Amino acid sequence: QKEVEQDPGPLSVPEGAIVSLNCTYSNSAFQYFMWYRQYSRKGPELLMYTYSSGNKEDGRFTAQVDKSSKYISLFIRDSQPSDSATYLCAMSAWHSSASKIIFGSGTRLSIRP
Amino acid sequence: NAGVTQTPKFRVLKTGQSMTLLCAQDMNHEYMYWYRQDPGMGLRLIHYSVGEGTTAKGEVPDGYNVSRLKKQNFLLGLESAAPSQTSVYFCASSYRTGGPSFGPGTRLTVT
Repeated sequence: QKEVEQDPGPLSVPEGAIVSLNCTYSNSAFQYFMWYRQYSRKGPELLMYTYSSGNKEDGRFTAQVDKSSKYISLFIRDSQPSDSATYLCAMSAWHSSASKIIFGSGTRLSIRP
Repeated sequence: NAGVTQTPKFRVLKTGQSMTLLCAQDMNHEYMYWYRQDPGMGLRLIHYSVGEGTTAKGEVPDGYNVSRLKKQNFLLGLESAAPSQTSVYFCASSYRTGGPSFGPGTRLTVT
């Protein structure tokens, strides 16, 4: 079993819809959670960085962590065609351990105009 | 502020050839990383460095070597390329805390 599971999609939604992207994980020691956006043939771009449980909002993006269920989500409000990309979740147990960031394999998202 | 830059952007090698991928960052980050990304496999850590002159193995280090002689540069070497090393290679950097910032990637094909 992978430490981090992410549905590969593709997920296709109409413009303006609320998008929910999710990851599950098995290691209860994970405390730091990240979401990256990766456009085709580009490098991943850090969108959100959160610690422990709860919500964090940044513009149209909200990251949610439920440690009791080992489940994290990224919500995108008022989705735009420019949000079409692959979204990667990532997590680690320690804030300063370079070797311990585990990435999901990504969910491909397409926003239909 | 260029962030993380990688050289070259594309490369085709024959089996057994060697090459070096160059990474530079101008954010004064302590940590630097080399990842490879393959379809369905996600990002896998090859080697990383927590400071100038230090390197360590990641999840998939075999067939690769690295060096960090200057804080801003991190080099990834392939001594004898194999078809299994066909991949997209990403360099990243970060402070001691926070998520890494990634470069644009190098697409490597080994025939």
